[in-house]
Amino acid sequence: DQQVKQNSPSLSVQEGRISILNCDYTNSMFDYFLWYKKYPAEGPTFLISISSIKDKNEDGRFTVFLNKSAKHLSLHIVPSQPGDSAVYFCAASRSINTGTASKLTFGTGTRLQVTL
Amino acid sequence: DAGVTQSPTHLIKTRGQQVTLRCSPKSGHDTVSWYQQALGQGPQFIFQYYEEEERQRGNFPDRFSGHQFPNYSSELNVNALLLGDSALYLCASSWTSESSYEQYFGPGTRLTVT
Repeated sequence: DQQVKQNSPSLSVQEGRISILNCDYTNSMFDYFLWYKKYPAEGPTFLISISSIKDKNEDGRFTVFLNKSAKHLSLHIVPSQPGDSAVYFCAASRSINTGTASKLTFGTGTRLQVTL
Repeated sequence: DAGVTQSPTHLIKTRGQQVTLRCSPKSGHDTVSWYQQALGQGPQFIFQYYEEEERQRGNFPDRFSGHQFPNYSSELNVNALLLGDSALYLCASSWTSESSYEQYFGPGTRLTVT
C-alpha cells in the first residue's frame, strides 16, 4: 500500500522556468510533509517542509503548497537552475507523541532535469 | 560541524552471511533512524532508536536488528542475508523536539548480496 505517491517519474524543465513537482498521499493522519533532494551517491538532503496547519511555505526559490482536502502537495522551484537536477522525494510524517520525530514515509521520487 | 556519517561506503556479502552497518549522527542529535532504499524506490523505514531503545519499527523481519550506544551512534545488523537485501541503507538523525520532524541523512552504505 503506497501511502505517498509521486506519479511523475521524471520531469524536464528549461533553465529559468518554473519546476512543479507533485505528490499525493492517502493517509489522513499525516500532519507533516517534507521534500528531499537526492544526488547520485549521496544521501537525501532536506529541502523544505510544511505542517498540516499551513497551506504554503516558502524558502528562497522553493515553495511548498499543501491542499489537505485533496491530499496533495507540490513543490515549486522558481527559477530552475541546472544544479537543481536531481531526484526529488516527497515524504510524510505523523505525530506520535510530543517531541517525537516520527518515521518518514517516502514517495518513489521524481527525477528533475533542468536543461540549458 | 560534521553531518551524519556512515561506514562502510560499500559492502559485498554472500547469501546467509551477517552484516553490521554503522552510523554517527549529526552533532546535537539524539535519535537515529534507519531506512532501506531499493533501486528505483523511495527509502523504506526500518526502525528508529532513541535513548538506546528501539522506539518505532517498520515492516521488516527480525533478521534486521539494531543498537544505539550512549554517544547516540548506532548499528544496523542484518542476519541470514538474502539476495533481496541488496540495497542502499540510509541512516538519518534528528533531535527530539516539539517542533522538529526533519531528519538528516547520511550518504548511505551500498550493500550487495551475491
